[in-house]
This record gives sequence, C-alpha cells and structure tokens, in this order.
Amino acid sequence: DAKTTQPPSMDCAEGRAANLPCNHSTISGNEYVYWYRQIHSQGPQYIIHGLKNNETNEMASLIITEDRKSSTLILPHATLRDTAVYYCIVRVDGGTSYGKLTFGQGTILTVHP
Amino acid sequence: ETGVTQSPTHLIKTRGQQVTLRCSSQSGHNTVSWYQQALGQGPQFIFQYYREEENGRGNFPPRFSGLQFPNYSSELNVNALELDDSALYLCASSEGPGRADTQYFGPGTRLTVL
Repeated sequence: DAKTTQPPSMDCAEGRAANLPCNHSTISGNEYVYWYRQIHSQGPQYIIHGLKNNETNEMASLIITEDRKSSTLILPHATLRDTAVYYCIVRVDGGTSYGKLTFGQGTILTVHP
Repeated sequence: ETGVTQSPTHLIKTRGQQVTLRCSSQSGHNTVSWYQQALGQGPQFIFQYYREEENGRGNFPPRFSGLQFPNYSSELNVNALELDDSALYLCASSEGPGRADTQYFGPGTRLTVL
C-alpha cells in the first residue's frame, strides 16, 4: 500500500485559503489520490480525486506534484463549516479488482473566525 | 437522487449478542463497502460486496459477515459481540468495485457494546 503522511493539525482563518499537504512518496503510477473529510461523528464526505493532473471542483482544488510524490488540497475560501478531519488516501488496488480505502489519521483542520 | 442511507442510527447491545446493520446504496450504485471506525481512529475496511458476493475483505474475523441483495442494499452482521466492537460502522456505495470508482459514505451506525 502506498502510505500517506499528513500533518496532525492545521489552523486557518475564515475567508482565507486552506492548503492541506499530503506526502505519498511510494505512490505507484496507476494509483489515485483521494481526499475525504469527516465532520465530527458523520460519515466521510468525498471531496476530490486525481491521478496526475491538477483537478478542481465546486469544493476544492487538488494540486499534484509532477513526480506525484505529494499533493495539496486547497479550500479557496475556508468557512467555519470546513472545520473537519481531512484524509488524504492513495487508492489501493487489492489485487482482486477491488478498491478499498485505507484511512490514516488525517489532518484536523480548524477554521477560526 | 437519494444518497447512502443506514439504519439504525444508534444501537446498544450486550457482549455475546448478535447485531445486523443495514445500508441502502445510492441510486445507480452496485457496490457496497463496509468500514469500522473506532473512536479517534480513521475508518478501517471490513469488506466489499459486488454483485451479491464478497469481493474483498480486510483484517476482520469471520464473525463479521455480510450480504448484498438484488437491489444492491447490504447488511453487516456481527456475531458474538465483543466490547471492542463498539464503533461507528460506515457503509459506502460506488458505481463499481474498482480503484477508480468513488465511494460515497452514509451517515453511519453507532454501535455500543456493554
């Protein structure tokens, strides 16, 4: 499995961009990078995913370095409701054509007023 | 379009009992994956069901079992409950079982074993 490393916690001021880093130096060429977030005691919410190119959707942007060894999730204008645990996940091919998600500890993002 | 739903929301059982948790997949999704999340930890993969058969399994004992029905809804059964089974149980549905199929999670069932 390609392991991911994230800072345990980060702070951000409301209205500012939140940039959440993730290292995945052992990622394989055909493995995707996924980001989910989990607000206290709720189910994880899908944010965005990518393989090689940068991606953007209505929630966030995902920047993947050219060597694919790290990525950054960007929330362009953080709000208090963005306070959550953010998980960076490299999608594993289990060898039997199934793709499980392997969650680490994630980054606790706290958005301050 | 309805999202992933789970029932019940909360459940309290005693050690040694059996429990069944239910999950309805999102419309158009044929794959359901189950995860266990202990307090303060990230979710851990239990198993995945695709076309009514178990399609992959994590490091969980056989007393964790499941079913998937023709309408793609799914059940998670846990026999001989132990105190450590207390956790948030999450199901996620996806359009397919592969690594490029995004999984969408339900709200979870909080199980407490006394």
